[in-house]
Amino acid sequence: EAQVTQNPRYLITVTGKKLTVTCSQNMNHEYMSWYRQDPGLGLRQIYYSMNVEVTDKGDVPEGYKVSRKEKRNFPLILESPSPNQTSLYFCASSPRQFQNIQYFGAGTRLSVL
Amino acid sequence: SQQGEEDPQALSIQEGENATMNCSYKTSINNLQWYRQNSGRGLVHLILIRSNEREKHSGRLRVTLDTSKKSSSLLITASRAADTASYFCATDGTSGSRLTFGEGTQLTVNP
Repeated sequence: EAQVTQNPRYLITVTGKKLTVTCSQNMNHEYMSWYRQDPGLGLRQIYYSMNVEVTDKGDVPEGYKVSRKEKRNFPLILESPSPNQTSLYFCASSPRQFQNIQYFGAGTRLSVL
Repeated sequence: SQQGEEDPQALSIQEGENATMNCSYKTSINNLQWYRQNSGRGLVHLILIRSNEREKHSGRLRVTLDTSKKSSSLLITASRAADTASYFCATDGTSGSRLTFGEGTQLTVNP
């Protein structure tokens, strides 16, 4: 089954404790992206990747890192989480960046205390 | 930056009625997409309309695009309680900008 898998689905952590949210897709998609969703602000893009070893900042990259060492994986790293990073996070992939459907993961709800 | 803006922010209707949601955007686009999100879940693609198209249908969905007004509408006919969700438009600009999402319309269909 074609899918984008995020883990974990729920995470509660404390300020400053490094964490990684994994994202994996089995559709051989070139393009992958991370979004955060907050009430009243909609979906905002954090980082995106056009292909292996090619990543770029989205609209709200501060406090986040990503890597794309393999085509299927695109982890989101919070080196020193802060309470303002409490949010619902989504990973998405698509065959190409433009004019293509994006396939979303089920989401990761993160709380930073 | 958010390019698409949905209107209304929230819509409540009775089952069987039609629901219309609107999206406005600011710059020229290659295409416009509509997505649906059930509460707390990932977005699911509904329909894509290209900038040279004016109308598109998919089942009970009808999407229109007016590039002169920089706006699109999503019509759901004969709504069902299961249509209750948030609906987002997403655009990608001709300048090569990324796909950007609006803030969504929360649709509630009452049985």
